[in-house]
Amino acid sequence: ETGVTQTPRHLVMGMTNKKSLKCEQHLGHNAMYWYKQSAKKPLELMFVYNFKEQTENNSVPSRFSPECPNSSHLFLHLHTLQPEDSALYLCASSQEQGTIEAFFGQGTRLTVV
Amino acid sequence: AQSVTQLDSQVPVFEEAPVELRCNYSSSVSVYLFWYVQYPNQGLQLLLKYLSGSTLVESINGFEAEFNKSQTSFHLRKPSVHISDTAEYFCAVSDPYGQNFVFGPGTRLSVLP
Repeated sequence: ETGVTQTPRHLVMGMTNKKSLKCEQHLGHNAMYWYKQSAKKPLELMFVYNFKEQTENNSVPSRFSPECPNSSHLFLHLHTLQPEDSALYLCASSQEQGTIEAFFGQGTRLTVV
Repeated sequence: AQSVTQLDSQVPVFEEAPVELRCNYSSSVSVYLFWYVQYPNQGLQLLLKYLSGSTLVESINGFEAEFNKSQTSFHLRKPSVHISDTAEYFCAVSDPYGQNFVFGPGTRLSVLP
């Protein structure tokens, strides 16, 4: 248990659905991250929030929409996804952006059908 | 910008045998180096890190890694592996400010009985 909780753990959605992934941390951290982990590809950093402000968006398609209402919660809203978006989505947090150690959640396994 | 290479995508090894997982990096500045472990159906956990000081760093479960600046390497070793060490291992690098954090593609360690 790392202190970072992601829900749901598994999600199957159709290409026309709208769903959201949730990440929650009670570590007192101020930076939160979304990563995408696809089979046979390196971990890809998607978004970074530092003190609730988005500081990085690594050319992520607009069908992925992040939201950070406070420093403890991070969402990833999904709509009109493609089958190639199927992956493990990992949330992480750190004291603030630039802090060395990040703590990861267990991930949400997303399957787009 | 930093980059990380993990040459071995899969490493099968028998229980109680030694193992070395290779990691090489490239960077134009000084770096911090990390090894993360991902057990099946779990998120990533920090295994060990090199920030400064002694070039040999150890984890609590018997792994060690040595920073070799001349060879730009940070190989992970364990003298005797257990079945429970079966996991994916990721090498990562960042600059000294924690920026430009980059993961390698991962090495899947399979420990066989």
